Amino acid sequence: DGGITQSPKYLFRKEGQNVTLSCEQNLNHDAMYWYRQDPGQGLRLIYYSQIVNDFQKGDIAEGYSVSREKKESFPLTVTSAQKNPTAFYLCASSQGGGNTGELFFGEGSRLTVL
Amino acid sequence: AQSVAQPEDQVNVAEGNPLTVKCTYSVSGNPYLFWYVQYPNRGLQFLLKYITGDNLVKGSYGFEAEFNKSQTSFHLKKPSALVSDSALYFCAVRDRKGYGNNRLAFGKGNQVVVIP
Repeated sequence: DGGITQSPKYLFRKEGQNVTLSCEQNLNHDAMYWYRQDPGQGLRLIYYSQIVNDFQKGDIAEGYSVSREKKESFPLTVTSAQKNPTAFYLCASSQGGGNTGELFFGEGSRLTVL
Repeated sequence: AQSVAQPEDQVNVAEGNPLTVKCTYSVSGNPYLFWYVQYPNRGLQFLLKYITGDNLVKGSYGFEAEFNKSQTSFHLKKPSALVSDSALYFCAVRDRKGYGNNRLAFGKGNQVVVIP
């Protein structure tokens, strides 16, 4: 089945540790995105990538890093510099250049900092 | 900058009654508008979108939405709500003259509770 796979679904981290969230898609989409979801705040864009080897900061990029070495993969690293990392993280993809295209989302990764 | 307002935090409706979830938007030009649904601890699922043409858009699971340019609204509707419609609903918008990166602005979401 085509879709987006995020892993792990649940992750616990101690303060001061970096953690990497995986996002893989087999939809052949050019564009990929990372969002953060907090209760009552909707979705906020962390990073996005329109094409391999290129990515841009979203609205809340501080304390996060990404890479886009392969079309299928867009991992997100939550660094120790992120002051409040406990949240639900959503990865999404869409057809490149498709201004009208909807986003396809993964099932999310819930990160809890202990 | 584009933005979306979903004024009600929670919408309660009895099963079988009509369901309406409100959304108003702000963009500098003409909008592309979307509705998504999210079940607990899951990702967002696409319901429907308005791009151009008919102001009444039909989507998945019996949902529809009406684009009203003069009121800058895109309310989501369902004629007869089901208990299984209980979920979090997000409206999203992007400007047609945007960057071509499909960057959407999401509302805060509305929790819909359908009472049996």
